[in-house]
Amino acid sequence: AQKITQTQPGMFVQEKEAVTLDCTYDTSDQSYGLFWYKQPSSGEMIFLIYQGSYDEQNATEGRYSLNFQKARKSANLVISASQLGDSAMYFCAMREGRGYSTLTFGKGTMLLVSP
Amino acid sequence: SQTIHQWPATLVQPVGSPLSLECTVEGTSNPNLYWYRQAAGRGLQLLFYSVGIGQISSEVPQNLSASRPQDRQFILSSKKLLLSDSGFYLCAWSEWTSDTQYFGPGTRLTVL
Repeated sequence: AQKITQTQPGMFVQEKEAVTLDCTYDTSDQSYGLFWYKQPSSGEMIFLIYQGSYDEQNATEGRYSLNFQKARKSANLVISASQLGDSAMYFCAMREGRGYSTLTFGKGTMLLVSP
Repeated sequence: SQTIHQWPATLVQPVGSPLSLECTVEGTSNPNLYWYRQAAGRGLQLLFYSVGIGQISSEVPQNLSASRPQDRQFILSSKKLLLSDSGFYLCAWSEWTSDTQYFGPGTRLTVL
């Protein structure tokens, strides 16, 4: 079974609108972390936002927010006021367990922002 | 501030040739280091990670190997490349106290 599922291969949004990118995860651990990364056409993976499993508040970083619904095991990324530069691949990732652990990535969602 | 470098940026190699990709991190000590591969249009596959000098963990048995000769240097190698080794190779680092990984610019490898 996939640990991280991103069901939207591609998404389209108009500039200045908000968009939600979906991510569901599968883990039996109580302690885990969820991450979102952006990969523009240049290839570099850019860290966007992190949510810990014990964090009670949804994480926010500027125009990015993470809609964390623990019972549903979802960690959707919300981008407000989309910009043309937001066009990129977006990856959801998870760290399981306490302490040091590796990340498992989803297959990604391609976001295209149109003028 | 911390920076991570990878080179070369692009590489075209014949099948059967050796490979050496280098990754270095500046501005931090004792980082955790990672090598990932990304096939065209796919997600990231963790290849190796290291928590210290000489300590390498392999996630996927394959044609590749990794070494960490210095604290902030991570090298990905192969003795004989296969066509299936083509892809985009990303190095990443994290603080040993944190899970957040920061990625380098990547190396695009084409094996012909």
